[in-house]
Amino acid sequence: DAGVIQSPRHEVTEMGQEVTLRCKPISGHNSLFWYRQTMMRGLELLIYFNNNVPIDDSGMPEDRFSAKMPNASFSTLKIQPSEPRDSAVYFCASSFGQGVMVAKNIQYFGAGTRLSVL
Amino acid sequence: DQQVKQNSPSLSVQEGRISILNCDYTNSMFDYFLWYKKYPAEGPTFLISISSIKDKNEDGRFTVFLNKSAKHLSLHIVPSQPGDSAVYFCAARDSSNTGKLIFGQGTTLQVKP
Repeated sequence: DAGVIQSPRHEVTEMGQEVTLRCKPISGHNSLFWYRQTMMRGLELLIYFNNNVPIDDSGMPEDRFSAKMPNASFSTLKIQPSEPRDSAVYFCASSFGQGVMVAKNIQYFGAGTRLSVL
Repeated sequence: DQQVKQNSPSLSVQEGRISILNCDYTNSMFDYFLWYKKYPAEGPTFLISISSIKDKNEDGRFTVFLNKSAKHLSLHIVPSQPGDSAVYFCAARDSSNTGKLIFGQGTTLQVKP
């Protein structure tokens, strides 16, 4: 399997622009996670889906952030409008399992998208 | 509010010696702990885990120790190798919200030849 695929790998944009990050989870996995990595806070969970349904979006910073999972093989994280403080590396991860089993079933991460908002 | 803390941003050890990475947590509802390793320009990869009902789990050169009373866990790497140089993240699962992991800030390990 190709693993979790994220695109783009790098994104440079100007403040106020819309940014869309994409993720293709591992085939057969039914949970998908979006994380943001910063020096100060490490890896923060933004939102996760189980069977394409958002389960916990308490980590989404504000209304400028939105995430969708229209089907089992694709998810997007959108920032509109983007701000310089959104600059970070964004990771997508997937796993197989549900409920109590999700975390015990290891999360597999993509290579990340490095976002720079000027 | 950081529920999982890795207070040492970096650690440097000599090849062949022991590396000890530490992690503290505050939430007594955490019931499962994991360590992930991350190389530059790659995503984190799972390394080793431990359930809260255990106090030690070993996998080759990697051993994780859990001290529940102190809310502390540590990762021991023996012997350390230059290829172990990476960022190590500690993560914990909340038994009341079992779908998510809470990660620490990470510790950068450098193993010198």
